[in-house]
Amino acid sequence: EAGVAQSPRYKIIEKRQSVAFWCNPISGHATLYWYQQILGQGPKLLIQFQNNGVVDDSQLPKDRFSAERLKGVDSTLKIQPAKLEDSAVYLCASSLGVGQTNEKLFFGSGTQLSVL
Amino acid sequence: DAKTTQPTSMDCAEGRAANLPCNHSTISGNEYVYWYRQIHSQGPQYIIHGLKNNETNEMASLIITEDRKSSTLILPHATLRDTAVYYCIVRTAYSTLTFGKGTMLLVSP
Repeated sequence: EAGVAQSPRYKIIEKRQSVAFWCNPISGHATLYWYQQILGQGPKLLIQFQNNGVVDDSQLPKDRFSAERLKGVDSTLKIQPAKLEDSAVYLCASSLGVGQTNEKLFFGSGTQLSVL
Repeated sequence: DAKTTQPTSMDCAEGRAANLPCNHSTISGNEYVYWYRQIHSQGPQYIIHGLKNNETNEMASLIITEDRKSSTLILPHATLRDTAVYYCIVRTAYSTLTFGKGTMLLVSP
């Protein structure tokens, strides 16, 4: 079974530039998550989609971050303009659905972003 | 969701059992205990979860105390590949997965 695919694996940009990350979840998974992981910390949820609708984006800095999940499959996370503090690993995860007692999240390997 | 407390780091000798503790004294009756781990440069990986009863799968065992205020993840025969950050998370079936800083487990030869 193919896992969660993310690209690119690494990205280096200068502050004020824009950047986009792509995620393809496991086939059949309705729920997709984007997490941000700053060095030395646990992952922090940015946004959660159920199919192509947003379930939770309360921690997404909406002045510079945006995300979409067109057609309820793959997703793109964008940062525009980037700041130094956006340097982190951006993790995508997917799961079958919300509200199941055996809900497991499957994570991709992430995109490591460095903002100079 | 209830908050969890884990040691910052632990050491274990290869081949021995690794016992990782987690305190969750404010856990509610409908909250599950989940364990994930994150190997360096990879995304987190699901290990196991439970509500009240002890659970075992091919990766680990989860022991939950009778009052559910704490739990222990047991890796019965740790290998070098088990070196990772281990996250104990308490959540309901409907809440999102919220990570703390976890426990860094170092397995040594």
